[in-house]
Amino acid sequence: QQPVQSPQAVILREGEDAVINCSSSKALYSVHWYRQKHGEAPVFLMILLKGGEQKGHEKISASFNEKKQQSSLYLTASQLSYSGTYFCGTVNAGGTSYGKLTFGQGTILTVHP
Amino acid sequence: DAGVTQSPTHLIKTRGQQVTLRCSPKSGHDTVSWYQQALGQGPQFIFQYYEEEERQRGNFPDRFSGHQFPNYSSELNVNALLLGDSALYLCASSPLGVRTGGPGANVLTFGAGSRLTVL
Repeated sequence: QQPVQSPQAVILREGEDAVINCSSSKALYSVHWYRQKHGEAPVFLMILLKGGEQKGHEKISASFNEKKQQSSLYLTASQLSYSGTYFCGTVNAGGTSYGKLTFGQGTILTVHP
Repeated sequence: DAGVTQSPTHLIKTRGQQVTLRCSPKSGHDTVSWYQQALGQGPQFIFQYYEEEERQRGNFPDRFSGHQFPNYSSELNVNALLLGDSALYLCASSPLGVRTGGPGANVLTFGAGSRLTVL
């Protein structure tokens, strides 16, 4: 069962902030975030492991609430280059996934000047 | 350093035909996964190859098969094509950490994909 992302789409002006959420009904080992620009390959942003870890990548950071099986991606002071579709990918706990990522349906982020 | 390369980039087939897609992983990666991405959707896991064997498989019929070669490159074969097989097929490679199941094992480097259209 795939994780659920919200919102489905976000429209921002440069400099504004956004939050993208990812929820799973299964116990998770890790959450990954990828960004895909139109016609391009998804690009890895960051990985979060169970334990409530928070990580950052430039002005993009993320958190993982292991108890709620939820992750949030925070985009601060957005830039035009942040536009694209953001996917969370989850790896289930249990040690049998060996790299099998289950992706959400994606959140389309559009940043306008 | 070359990333993941896929071929062909675009192809058109008719129902019932067969297709083979190819992937060369990133240098230093030994594990290849294939994903199907329908328009407007997230990638869906098809299967994963490591040490020339299928290690994991998603919810796809047997019409989807694959192969990994000693140089870690991989092929995805789809038989008896259906209209619903039209999609972007993404290949992703991951590093040696997959053997131990460590967190780095799941960090995927994707290729740009092969766009398959079935008429």
